[in-house]
Amino acid sequence: GNSVTQMEGPVTLSEEAFLTINCTYTATGYPSLFWYVQYPGEGLQLLLKATKADDKGSNKGFEATYRKETTSFHLEKGSVQVSDSAVYFCALSGYSTLTFGKGTMLLVSP
Amino acid sequence: DAGVIQSPRHEVTEMGQEVTLRCKPISGHDYLFWYRQTMMRGLELLIYFNNNVPIDDSGMPEDRFSAKMPNASFSTLKIQPSEPRDSAVYFCASNPGDDRGLYEQYFGPGTRLTVT
Repeated sequence: GNSVTQMEGPVTLSEEAFLTINCTYTATGYPSLFWYVQYPGEGLQLLLKATKADDKGSNKGFEATYRKETTSFHLEKGSVQVSDSAVYFCALSGYSTLTFGKGTMLLVSP
Repeated sequence: DAGVIQSPRHEVTEMGQEVTLRCKPISGHDYLFWYRQTMMRGLELLIYFNNNVPIDDSGMPEDRFSAKMPNASFSTLKIQPSEPRDSAVYFCASNPGDDRGLYEQYFGPGTRLTVT
């Protein structure tokens, strides 16, 4: 079956540091891949997505590239801000549903 | 658009009581999902509907849980009787079901349930 593995958190960074959150997946077929973000006290919001191999999704300075050969979709940002503190979820599409990773908490200090 | 609306936002109840969580999806969305989020198990899909019909309820933990969608703009998740281990944040999500957004789900703010 489908599964998503994310790096354990929390990830603690200083403002303006470079961010990488690793995500690898196992899936049949050719799923779409997503990153969702959950700010404290809120529901999940779509951050970015990629629908086929070698696609790069990007939004708000975040980006991730769909790597079929390594079955990965790592999230990166060149310079994080305090306001980026949140939980980040990697997900892949199945038949009408999404399979989510366990989430990675990011804490950014000033 | 108001987004996905859930009520109540917080619910505190005693073990054995019935709990009903409510969701209003985004107008025009054909799919509705119920999730449960806990620290131990992360985000779990409980059940989802397509055009008001339950498609997959294999994630519903046990018979104490039930979900209905009587029309396109309303769904409920009921727990009867509730137990302390049901304490979690319950999310409702919807998506339009078209090719562009088939798997792009829109989440509500969640209901934080505490069972004492």
